Amino acid sequence: NAGVTQTPKFQVLKTGQSMTLQCAQDMNHEYMSWYRQDPGMGLRLIHYSVGAGITDQGEVPNGYNVSRSTTEDFPLRLLSAAPSQTSVYFCASSLAGTNTYEQYFGPGTRLTVT
Amino acid sequence: AQTVTQSQPEMSVQEAETVTLSCTYDTSESDYYLFWYKQPPSRQMILVIRQEAYKQQNATENRFSVNFQKAAKSFSLKISDSQLGDAAMYFCARHAMYSGGGADGLTFGKGTHLIIQP
Repeated sequence: NAGVTQTPKFQVLKTGQSMTLQCAQDMNHEYMSWYRQDPGMGLRLIHYSVGAGITDQGEVPNGYNVSRSTTEDFPLRLLSAAPSQTSVYFCASSLAGTNTYEQYFGPGTRLTVT
Repeated sequence: AQTVTQSQPEMSVQEAETVTLSCTYDTSESDYYLFWYKQPPSRQMILVIRQEAYKQQNATENRFSVNFQKAAKSFSLKISDSQLGDAAMYFCARHAMYSGGGADGLTFGKGTHLIIQP
C-alpha cells in the first residue's frame, strides 16, 4: 500500500491564483481530512469528509473548498490564493468503525503564496 | 473552542536519559481519545502512542509511555532511554467532535521541540 499520497510536494502561487492540492489513499478509509500547519502552531483542521459525497467544515475552512466524489480522493481547492494561506498542508485518512480515530497522514505540501 | 495546551515549547535531554513532555486539554466529553504524534525534520507525522479515556491503564509502547490523569485533564509523554532519533517536534492531540458529529478530526497542541544532546 502507498498509504496517503499528496501532490505536489511544493508549490509557489501568486496572490489571486487558484490551484488544487491532491490527496489520495489506497486503504479504503472512509474518513479523510485536510489540515494546515503554520510556524509555531499545531495542525488545524480545514475540512473533512466521512464518506463519498459528504464533507463538512473544520476549524479554519475559509478560503478553501473540498469535494469527495470517490472513497480514494479528497482534493483541496484554493479559489483565490492569499498570502495568509502560505502553510504546510497535510491530508489524513482514518478507518471508520474501529473507534480509535487514528489518523494516517500524507507527507505534506508546502505552499507559498507571494 | 476545545483546546490542547503544551506548555513547553522546547525541551533538551541527554542521550540515554528520560524526559517527560507535558500536555493538558479541555473537554466536556467522558470518552475520547488522546494521541502523541512525532514530526521529525522530514515533516511526516508519526503516531507515537494512543490513549483511550475510559481505560484506567496508562498506554505504553516500548520506550514511550504516558501518564494519563483524567480528572486533571493531563496527558504527559515519557520517553525513556532517549536516543538521537527521538529528536523531533512532538504534538499532543485529542479527538474532536465537529459539527458533523462523526469521527472527523484531531485538535492539536502547538508542539514541543525535543533536542537530544549526545
